[in-house]
Amino acid sequence: KAGVTQTPRYLIKTRGQQVTLSCSPISGHRSVSWYQQTPGQGLQFLFEYFSETQRNKGNFPGRFSGRQFSNSRSEMNVSTLELGDSALYLCASSGGDRGGETQYFGPGTRLLVL
Amino acid sequence: DQQVKQNSPSLSVQEGRISILNCDYTNSMFDYFLWYKKYPAEGPTFLISISSIKDKNEDGRFTVFLNKSAKHLSLHIVPSQPGDSAVYFCAASANEKLTFGTGTRLTIIP
Repeated sequence: KAGVTQTPRYLIKTRGQQVTLSCSPISGHRSVSWYQQTPGQGLQFLFEYFSETQRNKGNFPGRFSGRQFSNSRSEMNVSTLELGDSALYLCASSGGDRGGETQYFGPGTRLLVL
Repeated sequence: DQQVKQNSPSLSVQEGRISILNCDYTNSMFDYFLWYKKYPAEGPTFLISISSIKDKNEDGRFTVFLNKSAKHLSLHIVPSQPGDSAVYFCAASANEKLTFGTGTRLTIIP
């Protein structure tokens, strides 16, 4: 079974721009969660989607948004990029019927904002 | 409010010895706990988990211990190998959400 895939793997943007990241979950998984990792901050939860609906949300500003498609693929969008948005963005999928289950991560997208 | 804490940012252990990684939590509603391992430039990899109804779970060289009264979780790796050098994250589940600690960087010294 193929693992979680994320595209692109690396991205350089400038302040004020917007960015869209993509995640394809493991086949059959219906839940997709997004995390931001920065040095010293661990994995900060952004949001979780299940069956095209946002099921859980972390404490990030509204500039961070996401969506999920009928095939469970998910996208995350960050608008009006700030320097502090430079981070590794990780997507994880799980079977999804109950949140908080074991999640399987993709390789991440490293975003650099200049 | 950091509900899941890994108070040691780094740990060095001699190859062949036991590595013990610790994690403390504050939320008594957590009912499922996990450990992940992360290499640079890769996503975290699931290692082992434990339900709150157990106090120990073992998988090969990896054993996770849960002390609910102390709200403490630990991961034991024995014997430690050079390939175990990575950042380890503990995570806890409550209200259908996973909360991660900040990670401990484990270095195995040959």
